[in-house]
Amino acid sequence: GESVGLHLPTLSVQEGDNSIINCAYSNSASDYFIWYKQESGKGPQFIIDIRSNMDKRQGQRVTVLLNKTVKHLSLQIAATQPGDSAVYFCAESFYNQGGKLIFGQGTELSVKP
Amino acid sequence: DSGVTQTPKHLITATGQRVTLRCSPRSGDLSVYWYQQSLDQGLQFLIHYYNGEERAKGNILERFSAQQFPDLHSELNLSSLELGDSALYFCASSETSNTGELFFGEGSRLTVL
Repeated sequence: GESVGLHLPTLSVQEGDNSIINCAYSNSASDYFIWYKQESGKGPQFIIDIRSNMDKRQGQRVTVLLNKTVKHLSLQIAATQPGDSAVYFCAESFYNQGGKLIFGQGTELSVKP
Repeated sequence: DSGVTQTPKHLITATGQRVTLRCSPRSGDLSVYWYQQSLDQGLQFLIHYYNGEERAKGNILERFSAQQFPDLHSELNLSSLELGDSALYFCASSETSNTGELFFGEGSRLTVL
């Protein structure tokens, strides 16, 4: 069946370092992939998305890489800050079902000052 | 602040009872989504409404129902509650029905005792 999973449940990095959060997906038919950030006590917040016909997309301090050969997605955060501490979810979707997201389990990012 | 408002923020009730969760989407957004977040199941898509019409259903129990009203606010009704229904229920909205960029509310935490 469809599933999106994360390799690591927790990630601890030093402030200023780069963070890489990984995600594996199983449905090669997915049209696009999205990263969300969830801070404690809040709802998920959209970070960035990437269509299946792309392999890289950059935002402000974030880069998403998509490797369809091995069904792998990653989120890179440059110069990680304490405010980046949160749980990060990858999700997949299909063009005709945009908001019906299949979420992964989440990775908790902890930034040490 | 995502612009999505959910009430109540917290709700404690007993098994067998019925509750209604309410969501006001961002101004101008026609799509409303409901998601359930629990420790064992993660974030799960429940249902999607677009401009008053049901567009997609996910793993939503028959005991649960939702609707979107002409003013675009939505309600999620949970009946015959069981202990396992205890979870965070998120509402999200988007301008269209084919985007993965959703704006989530802060959730309604339901505890069933």
